[in-house]
Amino acid sequence: GEDVEQSLFLSVREGDSSVINCTYTDSSSTYLYWYKQEPGAGLQLLTYIFSNMDMKQDQRLTVLLNKKDKHLSLRIADTQTGDSAIYFCAESGSGNTGKLIFGQGTTLQVKP
Amino acid sequence: DAGITQSPRYKITETGRQVTLMCHQTWSHSYMFWYRQDLGHGLRLIYYSAAADITDKGEVPDGYVVSRSKTENFPLTLESATRSQTSVYFCASSESGGWGNSPLHFGNGTRLTVT
Repeated sequence: GEDVEQSLFLSVREGDSSVINCTYTDSSSTYLYWYKQEPGAGLQLLTYIFSNMDMKQDQRLTVLLNKKDKHLSLRIADTQTGDSAIYFCAESGSGNTGKLIFGQGTTLQVKP
Repeated sequence: DAGITQSPRYKITETGRQVTLMCHQTWSHSYMFWYRQDLGHGLRLIYYSAAADITDKGEVPDGYVVSRSKTENFPLTLESATRSQTSVYFCASSESGGWGNSPLHFGNGTRLTVT
C-alpha cells in the first residue's frame, strides 16, 4: 500500500541547518514533493523531485532522494524564524491519478 | 484576485445536520480535490474531480458527497454530520493533477466543528 512517514517535530536554532526526513512505500511514485503550511493557511509547494534524480537544489533548499531506501529529505540552510511551519512530504503514487499521498507533517520550530 | 477560495472559514454545526463547504477557483484548473487535515493523520483525500461532471472517491469518502457541475466550483456536502467529521477541510486545484511542476494550489481551509 501507499504510506508516507515523517517525524512530527524538529527544533533548531536560527542560522543552523534543518533536515526533515521522510520515508515512503510506493517505489513507483514518479514525483516526490515538499509542501509548507504556515499557521492558518493552506499548503504551498516548496519543491519537488523527479524519481530518477538523487538531488535537487533550490536556493537554501536541498532535496535528497534515496530510492533504494525510499527515503526523502529536505535540508534548509541558514534556517530563519520565517521558516517555522509544518512541512509535508508527499508522493505521487502509482498511476496518473493526480492523487498525492501526504505524510503527517513535521512541525519545524526555529528558535532565535 | 485570482485564486482558490473556501467558505465558510469557520463552521459549527450539530450532529445530524447537513453542511456544505464551498470551494471556488478562478484558474479554470481541471483537477480539484478535497482533503481533511487531522492531528496524527496529515492530509487525507476525501474526493477529487478530474473535470466537470467527473468525480471519484479518495481515501476517506464515507459520509461525504461532492458535485462538479461547473469547472470552477467543487462543493463538499456532509449529508448528516458526525463528531468524527470535526476537522479542517482543504480544497485544492491543479492544472494537471498535481504532477511535476503543476502543483496543487490550496485554499486556506474551513475549520468545521460538529457538536
